[in-house]
Amino acid sequence: NAGVTQTPKFQVLKTGQSMTLQCAQDMNHEYMSWYRQDPGMGLRLIHYSVGAGITDQGEVPNGYNVSRSTTEDFPLRLLSAAPSQTSVYFCASSTGNSYNEQFFGPGTRLTVL
Amino acid sequence: GDSVTQMEGPVTLSEEAFLTINCTYTATGYPSLFWYVQYPGEGLQLLLKATKADDKGSNKGFEATYRKETTSFHLEKGSVQVSDSAVYFCALRVSNTGKLIFGQGTTLQVKP
Repeated sequence: NAGVTQTPKFQVLKTGQSMTLQCAQDMNHEYMSWYRQDPGMGLRLIHYSVGAGITDQGEVPNGYNVSRSTTEDFPLRLLSAAPSQTSVYFCASSTGNSYNEQFFGPGTRLTVL
Repeated sequence: GDSVTQMEGPVTLSEEAFLTINCTYTATGYPSLFWYVQYPGEGLQLLLKATKADDKGSNKGFEATYRKETTSFHLEKGSVQVSDSAVYFCALRVSNTGKLIFGQGTTLQVKP
C-alpha cells in the first residue's frame, strides 16, 4: 500500500495562476479531506468528501475547488492563486467511522509570489 | 462550535525529563480524540487515540486519558528523548460529520 500520495511536493506560482494539487489513496477510504497548515494556526480544513460525488466545505474554503469523481482521487484546485494561499497543504483519508484516525499524505509546500 | 485548545509552545526540556502537553476541547456530542505528531519536514502521524470517556491511549511511552468531566486529553511521557523533538497536535473527530478539528500544535524541543 502506498497510503496517501500527494503531488507535487513543492510548487511556486505567480499571483493569478491556477493549478491543481493531486491527492490519491489506495486504502478504499470513503472520507478524504484537504487541510492547510500555517505557522501557529494548526491545520485548518479546506474541503472534505464523504464519498465519490459528494463534497462539502470546511473552515477555509474560499479560493479552492474540489471534486471527487472516484473513491481514490481528491484533487484540490486553485483557480487564481493569491499570496495568502502560500502554505503547506495536506491531504488525508479515513474510513467513515469517526472512531478511526485519518491518514495523512506527505504534504505540498506552495509558495505564491 | 467544536474546538481544541493546546498549551502554547515551544516547550524545551532536557533528555529524560517528564513531559505534559495540555489539551482541552469543546464539542457537542461524543467526539473521538487524537494526538498526532509531525517530525521536521514530514506529514502527520497518529501517535495515539481514545474513543470514549476514561479511555487511555498509549504508544511509544506517550499516554493520554479521555477526561469527559474536564473535557481534556493531556499528553504525557515519563522520560523524553531527543528523538521526541517534533510538533504535537491534539485533535477531535466530530461524530456526526467525521471532520477532524486540530489544536494549534505544540513544538517540543528536547536537548541532550
